[in-house]
Amino acid sequence: GAGVSQSPSNKVTEKGKDVELRCDPISGHTALYWYRQSLGQGLEFLIYFQGNSAPDKSGLPSDRFSAERTGGSVSTLTIQRTQQEDSAVYLCASSRSGVAGGFMGGEQYFGPGTRLTVT
Amino acid sequence: GENVGLHLPTLSVQEGDNSIINCAYSNSASDYFIWYKQESGKGPQFIIDIRSNMDKRQGQRVTVLLNKTVKHLSLQIAATQPGDSAVYFCAENRGPKAAGNKLTFGGGTRVLVKP
Repeated sequence: GAGVSQSPSNKVTEKGKDVELRCDPISGHTALYWYRQSLGQGLEFLIYFQGNSAPDKSGLPSDRFSAERTGGSVSTLTIQRTQQEDSAVYLCASSRSGVAGGFMGGEQYFGPGTRLTVT
Repeated sequence: GENVGLHLPTLSVQEGDNSIINCAYSNSASDYFIWYKQESGKGPQFIIDIRSNMDKRQGQRVTVLLNKTVKHLSLQIAATQPGDSAVYFCAENRGPKAAGNKLTFGGGTRVLVKP
């Protein structure tokens, strides 16, 4: 079946520009997550959506970062006034439920990521 | 995502041998742990998970061991194959269940399988 998809796969932008990254989760998954992976680093949690609940934004590094999820499906991560330190791979994941524990439906499936380069 | 990491620890293993990848965690409140495999240019792929009320769980060719006393997690891969070459991440759920399933990832270990 179709997995998590992300677009674009690569994005090069100039410092100061805004960018939008898109995530299409697996159909029927209620939970959606955004992570960031900088060069040579592990994944850093950014934001989490679960159903119609208010998102957990605790991982967003600054107010230049925002995300929304429309209709409980597609999500867009927006970075305003991009900086060079924003360069990273942005990964989206979805899970059937938001409850911790893979065998409770909380297993997260990742998309291929969007590589963002800010010049 | 690509993991060209100058600082990634690397495990070189001969094809057919067993691999053991280790991970230390710091939060004693973490109650759920996962291992992910990430190949170059791809997102992380779930391998196996374990809850804190367990100390061992087995999958196909993989075993995860959890030692809560020393806050240590390991992944054992039996009969390592060339396709196992990747970066492996451990991840933990640090928050209460009410806080959702956000994961905290370790820095990763690169596994190179020699033919």
